[in-house]
Amino acid sequence: GENVEQHPSTLSVQEGDSAVIKCTYSDSASNYFPWYKQELGKRPQLIIDIRSNVGEKKDQRIAVTLNKTAKHFSLHITETQPEDSAVYFCAAREYGNKLVFGAGTILRVKS
Amino acid sequence: DAGVIQSPRHEVTEMGQEVTLRCKPISGHNSLFWYRQTMMRGLELLIYFNNNVPIDDSGMPEDRFSAKMPNASFSTLKIQPSEPRDSAVYFCASTSTGGRNEKLFFGSGTQLSVL
Repeated sequence: GENVEQHPSTLSVQEGDSAVIKCTYSDSASNYFPWYKQELGKRPQLIIDIRSNVGEKKDQRIAVTLNKTAKHFSLHITETQPEDSAVYFCAAREYGNKLVFGAGTILRVKS
Repeated sequence: DAGVIQSPRHEVTEMGQEVTLRCKPISGHNSLFWYRQTMMRGLELLIYFNNNVPIDDSGMPEDRFSAKMPNASFSTLKIQPSEPRDSAVYFCASTSTGGRNEKLFFGSGTQLSVL
């Protein structure tokens, strides 16, 4: 089955700087890669996603890139703000609609 | 749409008791997932259903755990008997399959504490 590894486990950045979180997956058949943000005590919420036929997708300050050959994808947050502080999870959907999550990255934006 | 609805939000019970968690998926969604979240193990998929049929229950930790989906708008996750190591947040999530609208939406979760 699919295995998703996520790095780093914690990330501290200064407000206004960029943050990058990286994930690798094992199953080359996986075709859908969402990113979720989870604030303390709340549910994971989808912030951006990308399908395997696309290399990059952007939505305002966040972007995701996908390298199918290397089987890795990354989340980029530019101009970080204190409200970006949360836990971020990457995920990969393997054949059969099963979504497998990475271990999460705690992002702290210092003001 | 009210989103995925879970109940109860919090459950405190004693070891050995039966616990039943409930979920109502988003109307029109045909896939439902049960996840468990802990600090140590992160987000683990326990079981998922397509069109009310269990597809993959390989994540269900033990026979103490069971899940049902009697119809398209309701699912339960039961733990019997419960143990302290079952303490976690249990999330239900739903999505549509077969089209391009594949986004997975989570409920607010049930915080389970087994004493």
